[in-house]
Amino acid sequence: AQSVAQPEDQVNVAEGNPLTVKCTYSVSGNPYLFWYVQYPNRGLQFLLKYITGDNLVKGSYGFEAEFNKSQTSFHLKKPSALVSDSALYFCAVSRNTGGFKTIFGAGTRLFVKA
Amino acid sequence: EAQVTQNPRYLITVTGKKLTVTCSQNMNHEYMSWYRQDPGLGLRQIYYSMNVEVTDKGDVPEGYKVSRKEKRNFPLILESPSPNQTSLYFCASSFSSYEQYFGPGTRLTVT
Repeated sequence: AQSVAQPEDQVNVAEGNPLTVKCTYSVSGNPYLFWYVQYPNRGLQFLLKYITGDNLVKGSYGFEAEFNKSQTSFHLKKPSALVSDSALYFCAVSRNTGGFKTIFGAGTRLFVKA
Repeated sequence: EAQVTQNPRYLITVTGKKLTVTCSQNMNHEYMSWYRQDPGLGLRQIYYSMNVEVTDKGDVPEGYKVSRKEKRNFPLILESPSPNQTSLYFCASSFSSYEQYFGPGTRLTVT
C-alpha cells in the first residue's frame, strides 16, 4: 500500500536561513513524487515533481527537492527562506500503473520569522 | 485562463439532503480527482477519473458518487450527507499522472 509521512507538523525558521521540510514515502514500483503548497484560504499549488532522471529537482519560488531512493525520502529544501514562504506544504506520491491513486501526507506548516 | 472551477464555494446543508458540487476544467485534462481536506489528515482522495466514463475509488469513497460524462466536468454527489462529511473539498485535474491543478475549494458544513 502507498503511504506518505511528513514527520513534522510544524517547522520554524528565521528569514534568510535554509529550510528543510521532510517527506518519506512507501510505494511499490517507481514513485511519482510531488510537493504542493497551500496558502491561507487558497487551493493547492504545484511546486515541483520527481518522475525520473536527476535526483535533485528544482521547482517554483526557489524550492528544490532531493529524491533518495535508498532512504525513500523526498525532502523539500530552500537555501534562503522568506517570510512569504510561510504556508502549509504537502508531499504526495502516485504511480502510473493502472490508475491514478494519489496519497498525500498530512502536511507541514512552515513559519518563517522576520 | 487555465483553471479549475468549483461551485458552490461554501455550502451549509442538513443531514440527508442530496447535494452536488460541480467541478469544471478548461485544460482538456484526462485526469480529474476529488479530495477532502481535514485538519491533521491532509488530503484524502475520494474518487478519480482517468477519462470520460472511467472512474475509480480513492481512499475514502463511502457516501460519495461521481460521474464523468464529459471530459471537462466531474461533479461530486452526496446522496444523503451526514455530519462526518463536513469538510473542505477540492477538485483537481491533470494531464496523465503528472502535477495536478486544484480548484479553489468548497467548504461544506452538514448539520
